[in-house]
Amino acid sequence: GENVEQHPSTLSVQEGDSAVIKCTYSDSASNYFPWYKQELGKRPQLIIDIRSNVGEKKDQRIAVTLNKTAKHFSLHITETQPEDSAVYFCAAGGTGFQKLVFGTGTRLLVSP
Amino acid sequence: DTAVSQTPKYLVTQMGNDKSIKCEQNLGHDTMYWYKQDSKKFLKIMFSYNNKELIINETVPNRFSPKSPDKAHLNLHINSLELGDSAVYFCASSPVEGGTEAFFGQGTRLTVV
Repeated sequence: GENVEQHPSTLSVQEGDSAVIKCTYSDSASNYFPWYKQELGKRPQLIIDIRSNVGEKKDQRIAVTLNKTAKHFSLHITETQPEDSAVYFCAAGGTGFQKLVFGTGTRLLVSP
Repeated sequence: DTAVSQTPKYLVTQMGNDKSIKCEQNLGHDTMYWYKQDSKKFLKIMFSYNNKELIINETVPNRFSPKSPDKAHLNLHINSLELGDSAVYFCASSPVEGGTEAFFGQGTRLTVV
């Protein structure tokens, strides 16, 4: 089955800095890679996703890159703000009836 | 309207009891999931279920069982609760095709004392 590893487990940055979170996956059949943000005491919510036919996707201050050959994908947050502080999860999955497997999460702390 | 809703939001119970958590989705999705989030915030899948197939994570004790009365509901039954079952349990749903966003419920914080 799919196995997803995520690094770092915690990340502290100053407001305005960039933050990068990296994930690797094991199943070459996976073709869908979402990122979820979970604020304290709340549910995980999708912030951006990418499919295997795309190498990069941007949405304002966040971007995701995918390297299918190396089986890794990354989340990039630029100009971080205190409200970006949360736990971020990557996940890997595919089409068909298949579960999403989540990474272990990264706790991002953005200090003013 | 809430897309995926769980009840209760908080559940405190004694060891050895049997309890259920209910989940309902109004998105018309065919696939529903249960995830367990432990104190370290790890999100681990417990079950994946659609109207045809149930996939069980082999690490889940058989004290846990999903029950689906219909396509819009997937309840989680837990027998003989143990201290280690304390966690936040999230229900989620997605289209049967997969490869799209999974919508999460608000979570149920279970505390076993």
